[in-house]
Amino acid sequence: AQSVTQLGSHVSVSEGALVLLRCNYSSSVPPYLFWYVQYPNQGLQLLLKYTSAATLVKGINGFEAEFKKSETSFHLTKPSAHMSDAAEYFCAVSRYEGGGSYIPTFGRGTSLIVHP
Amino acid sequence: DTEVTQTPKHLVMGMTNKKSLKCEQHMGHRAMYWYKQKAKKPPELMFVYSYEKLSINESVPSRFSPECPNSSLLNLHLHALQPEDSALYLCASSQEWTGNQPQHFGDGTRLSIL
Repeated sequence: AQSVTQLGSHVSVSEGALVLLRCNYSSSVPPYLFWYVQYPNQGLQLLLKYTSAATLVKGINGFEAEFKKSETSFHLTKPSAHMSDAAEYFCAVSRYEGGGSYIPTFGRGTSLIVHP
Repeated sequence: DTEVTQTPKHLVMGMTNKKSLKCEQHMGHRAMYWYKQKAKKPPELMFVYSYEKLSINESVPSRFSPECPNSSLLNLHLHALQPEDSALYLCASSQEWTGNQPQHFGDGTRLSIL
């Protein structure tokens, strides 16, 4: 079954430093992958998605992710962290169940902490 | 701006009460979803509606009853809930239920069961 694993429940960076949030997927076929961000007391917001077009995907707020089939990874990066990036980040996959059924499945989440 | 609107934002109810959560979107999306999210956890899928038909029920207890009156509205009827049902309930929509479509989420209803 398709799933995603997020390594590290918390990532702490200094303002201006590189942000790297890790996501690995398990799938026998190229999956549909997404990164979402959730700020306190809000719903999830799409950052970017991979749907088998370009392997380097650019998203909102300066985030990007690279799909690496050889590593089954879809890590999220941002060159320079801002205080406003502090939030919970979820990697997600559309798990195919057959018969045209896709089940959205989320990783456990990574809390990004940004220090001044 | 949130394009998926959920009401109420907060709800406190007793275990014998009946209440409903409401979700509305005007983006012309044909797939709508209900999720349950506990603190510090990822969203857990409860139901999927596609073209106003219930397509997925992830073994949700019958005390949760979804309803899709039209393509813009999604309700979740609650009855005889348990304290462990206290959580954030998120509604989402997507253009189609085809797996490659991103979901648009509302800000949720925070539900507390006394």
